[in-house]
Amino acid sequence: QKEVEQNSGPLSVPEGAIASLNCTYSDRGSQSFFWYRQYSGKSPELIMSIYSNGDKEDGRFTAQLNKASQYVSLLIRDSQPSDSATYLCALRLNSGNTPLVFGKGTRLSVIA
Amino acid sequence: ETGVTQSPTHLIKTRGQQVTLRCSSQSGHNTVSWYQQALGQGPQFIFQYYREEENGRGNFPPRFSGLQFPNYSSELNVNALELDDSALYLCASSPGKDQPQHFGDGTRLSIL
Repeated sequence: QKEVEQNSGPLSVPEGAIASLNCTYSDRGSQSFFWYRQYSGKSPELIMSIYSNGDKEDGRFTAQLNKASQYVSLLIRDSQPSDSATYLCALRLNSGNTPLVFGKGTRLSVIA
Repeated sequence: ETGVTQSPTHLIKTRGQQVTLRCSSQSGHNTVSWYQQALGQGPQFIFQYYREEENGRGNFPPRFSGLQFPNYSSELNVNALELDDSALYLCASSPGKDQPQHFGDGTRLSIL
């Protein structure tokens, strides 16, 4: 079983709608979770980090973490065409200075 | 602007050659990690340096090697290049443990 799983998409949503991106992980010891946005041909850009169960909001973005269900999600409200990109879910397996483990990413397309 | 710069932006090599990729991170970012991202995949961890010592390595052969220097710059060296080494190589740094990693713009390596 892969450590971080994401639906590769594409996920298509109309402009102004809520986009919901999901990620599951296999290691219960995972401590910290991150969402990166990657435009085609560019490098990943950090959007959100979340460390404890519950919701964390930043502008139009909300990250949700449920460690019991081993599930992390990203909601994008009022989706814009500029949000069209690949969204990468990443985690750290342990606390401390450990590297990131990434999913393959979900491609989001926001239709104007 | 992440404060992480990589060079060169693009590189074309042939099989069997050697390549050195460079990264410069922010002052105070003692940890630098290198990732390989093949087309359509998430970044895969190659290795990590902390205060000039390698302190983690992913599932990559020894022909992938690196260095970190006191001035917060680092190198990724790849010997005996293979066609499958064609990918986007990403450098990421963070200021401390549990902190998110921020990526440079990457180096696109093509092997002919």
